[in-house]
Amino acid sequence: DTGVSQDPRHKITKRGQNVTFRCDPISEHNRLYWYRQTLGQGPEFLTYFQNEAQLEKSRLLSDRFSAERPKGSFSTLEIQRTEQGDSAMYLCASSTNQGRETQYFGPGTRLLVL
Amino acid sequence: GESVGLHLPTLSVQEGDNSIINCAYSNSASDYFIWYKQESGKGPQFIIDIRSNMDKRQGQRVTVLLNKTVKHLSLQIAATQPGDSAVYFCAEKRRGSTLGRLYFGRGTQLTVWP
Repeated sequence: DTGVSQDPRHKITKRGQNVTFRCDPISEHNRLYWYRQTLGQGPEFLTYFQNEAQLEKSRLLSDRFSAERPKGSFSTLEIQRTEQGDSAMYLCASSTNQGRETQYFGPGTRLLVL
Repeated sequence: GESVGLHLPTLSVQEGDNSIINCAYSNSASDYFIWYKQESGKGPQFIIDIRSNMDKRQGQRVTVLLNKTVKHLSLQIAATQPGDSAVYFCAEKRRGSTLGRLYFGRGTQLTVWP
């Protein structure tokens, strides 16, 4: 399977704990995106990388959130001091920077903060 | 505020019938539109896209129509099958906005009855 992969698929944590999610994009894609999706809503943009550079961050990305893509391949999204409101599906997508730039999504990581 | 939205939150059709899912957008700067299908517990799956310089684009059993005059987008699914049951999102990319962010509507739940 050469699609976008995410790990873990599910995470349950207690409020105040830190969590980290990983995304592996499609290998030839140099753009990587993180979105958050809550129940009944469409995905909301969080942040975007081109290669290793983080080029845009949404206002949704509070100081407790940090994302990295150190070698321009996989990316991590860390949430510090989790809150119940952080419970959501965290989606990763990747694309090329040529042609239609279609974003292909991974299966997501579902986070539940107790 | 400006948003991508959907006219109907739910749509039920009989297997074999054609389905039409609608989407309204309000940002005239949007120049690229994508339809995604999302099954329960999975990430959004790309279906079809269209640029603003086109009115219609066809894929396998799917057609996207774009009416820029009234800022309306539709997805037509021919001979709907039970496997088409999912939530369908339209998403837009806005010309001039930073690179690659997609704006999603709330989605339409399509249910196909045998």
